Amino acid sequence: EDQVTQSPEALRLQEGESSSLNCSYTVSGLRGLFWYRQDPGKGPEFLFTLYSAGEEKEKERLKATLTKKESFLHITAPKPEDSATYLCAVPPGEGGSEKLVFGKGTKLTVNP
Amino acid sequence: EAGVVQSPRYKIIEKKQPVAFWCNPISGHNTLYWYLQNLGQGPELLIRYENEEAVDDSQLPKDRFSAERLKGVDSTLKIQPAELGDSAVYLCASSLSETSGYNEQFFGPGTRLTVL
Repeated sequence: EDQVTQSPEALRLQEGESSSLNCSYTVSGLRGLFWYRQDPGKGPEFLFTLYSAGEEKEKERLKATLTKKESFLHITAPKPEDSATYLCAVPPGEGGSEKLVFGKGTKLTVNP
Repeated sequence: EAGVVQSPRYKIIEKKQPVAFWCNPISGHNTLYWYLQNLGQGPELLIRYENEEAVDDSQLPKDRFSAERLKGVDSTLKIQPAELGDSAVYLCASSLSETSGYNEQFFGPGTRLTVL
């Protein structure tokens, strides 16, 4: 069964303290990995799509990377406005169930 | 460009009552999704439409949930009768057609349902 596991569940950082969030997946024939940001009371907001191992994408203080088994979301010098829950998701693998599989998310809090 | 629109934003009902949620996707997006999100969890797909056709409804509890997407644009998700365990956020998302592969999905703000 396709699985997506995110760690840690929650992360508290001081403003400017860089760190990384992890998303590990078990999907045969990865057809993409998606990162989303979700603020309280809002729907997930699309950040990145990664398709192949070694690929990297950046947006402001965020950089997403992908290996054959996991993806990392690196946050460099975070600001309080980066506080949110970060979700990763993968489409079903070959022969898998026909649904997009989301992790439970990492709740990031950045203190000023 | 307008995003995905959902209404209502909040709904409180008593158990056994019916409830309906409405979604208007981004213009030009042929694929529409309904997700359920419980507190502290990621979204879980209920149903996916390609234009008017429901192409994946395997996770939709068909005894009480129904959905429609007439004319391939707006969609309505209905629960009848609602149960206490249906309390959650119901998210609608849309994307360009998936027939050529997965595309990023754009989510609406969700409807927070509370069943008393």
